[in-house]
Amino acid sequence: DTEVTQTPKHLVMGMTNKKSLKCEQHMGHRAMYWYKQKAKKPPELMFVYSYEKLSINESVPSRFSPECPNSSLLNLHLHALQPEDSALYLCASSQHPLAGVGTGELFFGEGSRLTVL
Amino acid sequence: QQPVQSPQAVILREGEDAVINCSSSKALYSVHWYRQKHGEAPVFLMILLKGGEQKGHEKISASFNEKKQQSSLYLTASQLSYSGTYFCGTERRGGSNYKLTFGKGTLLTVNP
Repeated sequence: DTEVTQTPKHLVMGMTNKKSLKCEQHMGHRAMYWYKQKAKKPPELMFVYSYEKLSINESVPSRFSPECPNSSLLNLHLHALQPEDSALYLCASSQHPLAGVGTGELFFGEGSRLTVL
Repeated sequence: QQPVQSPQAVILREGEDAVINCSSSKALYSVHWYRQKHGEAPVFLMILLKGGEQKGHEKISASFNEKKQQSSLYLTASQLSYSGTYFCGTERRGGSNYKLTFGKGTLLTVNP
C-alpha cells in the first residue's frame, strides 16, 4: 500500500464555517506534511509533523490548525477562512523526516480542493 | 529560499530531448525532482545528494553540480507521458529541522 489518501476531494465553505481536511497513510511513514498549492504555482509548505510532533510551522495563520492524532493520520482544521485561502491542499508523507541526506522521498495525496466563498 | 528553475516552459515533439535546470544561491544538501500532471498529485522522480552520482530512471536522469549549486534533469527521447510540470525541491535547514522548498516549476509539453 503506497497511497496517501485525502478526504474530501472537494470542499466549499463559507467564511464562518468550520471544516476539516483529513489525510491517511498506512506506509509506516513517520513524517507528514501539509502543502498549499495555488493554480500554476508550486506547493508551499505549511506544516510538518515528525514522529507525531509538530516540527515546522511556516508562520501559517491560526485559522489553519493542524492535528496529528496518530502516526497514520493528519488533519487540518479550518475556521474563519478567507477567499484567498481557496487552493489545493496537499498532504504528503515520507518514511523519515527530512535530514538533508536524501532519504526523504515525499509521497503526495491527490489533494483536497478548497473553495472559500 | 526558493530554488530557481529554467526554462519556465518547453515544448517538444515526441522523441526530442530536454534539459531542465534548478539552481540555488544557498548551499544544497539534496535536490528532489517531482512531476505533476494537470489535476494530479506531484509524483517523485528522484533525489540527488551532494557528492552523489548522477541518477537515472529509464530515460530520465539527473545530475548535481556542487560547485554551481545546480541540478539538471535530462529527459531523453521524450514520450507523450512526460508532459507535465516538473518541480525541483531543495532541502534546507530551518532551525533543527529540514524542509523541502519547491521551485516555480517547468511546464513540459510533448506533442505527437
